[in-house]
Amino acid sequence: SQTIHQWPATLVQPVGSPLSLECTVEGTSNPNLYWYRQAAGRGLQLLFYSVGIGQISSEVPQNLSASRPQDRQFILSSKKLLLSDSGFYLCAWGRAAGGYNEQFFGPGTRLTVL
Amino acid sequence: GQQLNQSPQSMFIQEGEDVSMNCTSSSIFNTWLWYKQDPGEGPVLLIALYKAGELTSNGRLTAQFGTTRKDSFLNISASIPSDVGIYFCAGEDTSGNTPLVFGKGTRLSVIA
Repeated sequence: SQTIHQWPATLVQPVGSPLSLECTVEGTSNPNLYWYRQAAGRGLQLLFYSVGIGQISSEVPQNLSASRPQDRQFILSSKKLLLSDSGFYLCAWGRAAGGYNEQFFGPGTRLTVL
Repeated sequence: GQQLNQSPQSMFIQEGEDVSMNCTSSSIFNTWLWYKQDPGEGPVLLIALYKAGELTSNGRLTAQFGTTRKDSFLNISASIPSDVGIYFCAGEDTSGNTPLVFGKGTRLSVIA
């Protein structure tokens, strides 16, 4: 069966510090991968998605970047965090083909920027 | 970009009551999905719908893919305290090449 991992689970960082959040998927190959951010009590904002190694699509201009160095690894980064980067970051995977476009979410990383 | 209108935004109900929420779109969707998010966790897929008119149940949950392909509803029967959470609808547009579009969620509170 497929599983998706995110770490760290929680993170407190000062403004201006760098960020690296990691997401890995097991039990599937060539997944589509997604990064979402969720503000407190709000909906899901798609940040980035990737259909393959090295292929990144950005949905909104921002202080963040994403990379996919391996098939089942997706990394969210920032060189200098802003207060507005605080939130709950969710990684998700989906099947690349087959007509079934379900997405499956990881447990999330709660980021607090102080 | 495409948007899904999900309503209601929030609900307060008594334990044992039935719940209904819906999602509408201005464009046709190929797939409708319903997720539930517990506090502090990632959303979990509840029901997936792939055909117009399809009605699918998962325990006390029932969801339908509207015949116009522009809407979907989710019903919860005989609510219990653990039904508390945020319910999201999501849809895949007809191109199939873009990520899912998500509604803004319905926050459900159950009063025991």
